[in-house]
Amino acid sequence: GQNIDQPTEMTATEGAIVQINCTYQTSGFNGLFWYQQHAGEAPTFLSYNVLDGLEEKGRFSSFLSRSKGYSYLLLKELQMKDSASYLCAPESYNTDKLIFGTGTRLQVFP
Amino acid sequence: EAGVTQFPSHSVIEKGQTVTLRCDPISGHDNLYWYRRVMGKEIKFLLHFVKESKQDESGMPNNRFLAERTGGTYSTLKVQPAELEDSGVYFCASSQGDQGAPDGYTFGSGTRLTVV
Repeated sequence: GQNIDQPTEMTATEGAIVQINCTYQTSGFNGLFWYQQHAGEAPTFLSYNVLDGLEEKGRFSSFLSRSKGYSYLLLKELQMKDSASYLCAPESYNTDKLIFGTGTRLQVFP
Repeated sequence: EAGVTQFPSHSVIEKGQTVTLRCDPISGHDNLYWYRRVMGKEIKFLLHFVKESKQDESGMPNNRFLAERTGGTYSTLKVQPAELEDSGVYFCASSQGDQGAPDGYTFGSGTRLTVV
């Protein structure tokens, strides 16, 4: 079976740091994507983790633990424009398809 | 580089009518995917083309949905006849090749379908 769990909503203050957690159970796993989606727009690629550990990319970092079925997205120096939904999406092994959670809606306040 | 384009962006149709959604992937991308987000639920996979061939259509809800990708370029997704539960946002995505290509899957902005 496939199950992805992430918080539904989070709030944070401009300039702060926020961590969005994701746990997953998939029948086959290749890697894990994080996407950002502003309302009414296309999901846009943020990160892709295959190996365990932390991948840093500017203000955004993503962590993966394959053995624990756990990932997080870390957003630093939050800006108002970071208010969006963040989608955790494991990639199914050998089938090239993404399995999405319901996403975490992040609101950044001044 | 042009992104993934979808049209129409919005469509409102009556139950029982037919609607055709179109997706133009990034030029050169062999992989094309259709996903759907029903209100309040997660984005769910519908099907995957590799060039003009259907690689995986396990997510297609029923035989009222027909996807084609003639010539391996753009794709269409036809819903006939449409039902109320088909309402949602239909996303198309494309990717170049191997799993987890560096920039992942590029999504279009989606077609918001409302069946009334």
